[in-house]
Amino acid sequence: DSGVTQTPKHLITATGQRVTLRCSPRSGDLSVYWYQQSLDQGLQFLIQYYNGEERAKGNILERFSAQQFPDLHSELNLSSLELGDSALYFCASSVVGRGMNTEAFFGQGTRLTVV
Amino acid sequence: AQKITQTQPGMFVQEKEAVTLDCTYDTSDPSYGLFWYKQPSSGEMIFLIYQGSYDQQNATEGRYSLNFQKARKSANLVISASQLGDSAMYFCAMTTPDGYGGSQGNLIFGKGTKLSVKP
Repeated sequence: DSGVTQTPKHLITATGQRVTLRCSPRSGDLSVYWYQQSLDQGLQFLIQYYNGEERAKGNILERFSAQQFPDLHSELNLSSLELGDSALYFCASSVVGRGMNTEAFFGQGTRLTVV
Repeated sequence: AQKITQTQPGMFVQEKEAVTLDCTYDTSDPSYGLFWYKQPSSGEMIFLIYQGSYDQQNATEGRYSLNFQKARKSANLVISASQLGDSAMYFCAMTTPDGYGGSQGNLIFGKGTKLSVKP
């Protein structure tokens, strides 16, 4: 158990809908990362938050947004969903936001299926 | 641009034998970190080993070791005495520069190698 909790584990929704994925980082970790894993794109970094503030952005679509709350949990919001958004979404956390050995601990992921 | 290349989509190894998973990377940043993660069929990502670009010695963690060849920009994972439970996808990843001489916390991943251990 990595200590990172993601809910829900599975989500099936229709095109055009909006969903929210939730992540609770490991106790003490200030940095939260969101990744998307799909068959065609592989594992892609979406966005990073550090202590409530956005720290870095990757290949995140404008239809997607995220935030980190004062209690450090994070939510990833996906809207106007398309079939191609079907993927495994990971949240990861680490103690620091920068540095070489920023070993990230991953949650079990949320498998999103858009039908 | 930074890039991680894993050229072996799939590999087979006999139980109890050693196996090397290849990883090459491309970066112009002198400071970086390299990671290996394991993803079993259940889906979770499990951290295995880390190597910093300035580390003098190759990293080791139990049955895992990292063969770091900086000049060749390779960071191969060696698994000794393979076990059936080692069957999984393995991902090589590296940190990204933050523009201030350090590294961001987020990782760039390769496409992975699927390892199958045969009894």
